[in-house]
Amino acid sequence: AQKITQTQPGMFVQEKEAVTLDCTYDTSDPSYGLFWYKQPSSGEMIFLIYQGSYDQQNATEGRYSLNFQKARKSANLVISASQLGDSAMYFCAMREPPNTGNQFYFGTGTSLTVIP
Amino acid sequence: EPEVTQTPSHQVTQMGQEVILRCVPISNHLYFYWYRQILGQKVEFLVSFYNNEISEKSEIFDDQFSVERPDGSNFTLKIRSTKLEDSAMYFCASYTSGTSYEQYFGPGTRLTVT
Repeated sequence: AQKITQTQPGMFVQEKEAVTLDCTYDTSDPSYGLFWYKQPSSGEMIFLIYQGSYDQQNATEGRYSLNFQKARKSANLVISASQLGDSAMYFCAMREPPNTGNQFYFGTGTSLTVIP
Repeated sequence: EPEVTQTPSHQVTQMGQEVILRCVPISNHLYFYWYRQILGQKVEFLVSFYNNEISEKSEIFDDQFSVERPDGSNFTLKIRSTKLEDSAMYFCASYTSGTSYEQYFGPGTRLTVT
């Protein structure tokens, strides 16, 4: 079974609108961390936001927030007030447990295009 | 801000040749990783390295691959005899355990096998 599933290969959003990128995960470990990375066309991986499985509140970082629904095993990324520079690939990833040296499992990514 | 560096940024090689991809992780980090991303696909784990030995490897990391930390700063990935399907972006990453969670990625090396 896939550890991380991203079902939206491509998304479009109007500039200044909000957009939600979906991510579901599969784990039996009670301790895990969920991460979102942005990959612009230049190729580098840019860390956006982190959510721990024991965190009570949804993580937020500026215009990024993570809608964490533990029972549904989903960790959707919400980008508010989209900007043209947000056009990129977005990857959801998981590590179990989060504060160990274990590998990251990545989803297949969502390509976001922001329309002026 | 500390960063992971990788050289070269782009490597072109002929099938059957050996390549070495180099990485300088963040200096106080303890865990080192190589990931691969075939063009347009997801990022795949290759290998993790801790305390001077491989701690975990994927099925992709077969006998053609090896990793080494030859000195206190460099971390290398060697592909002994490259195949066309090895063409991909290779990312190095490093991490320090404890209260930090973020795994820092390098900018990647694009390997093209012709």
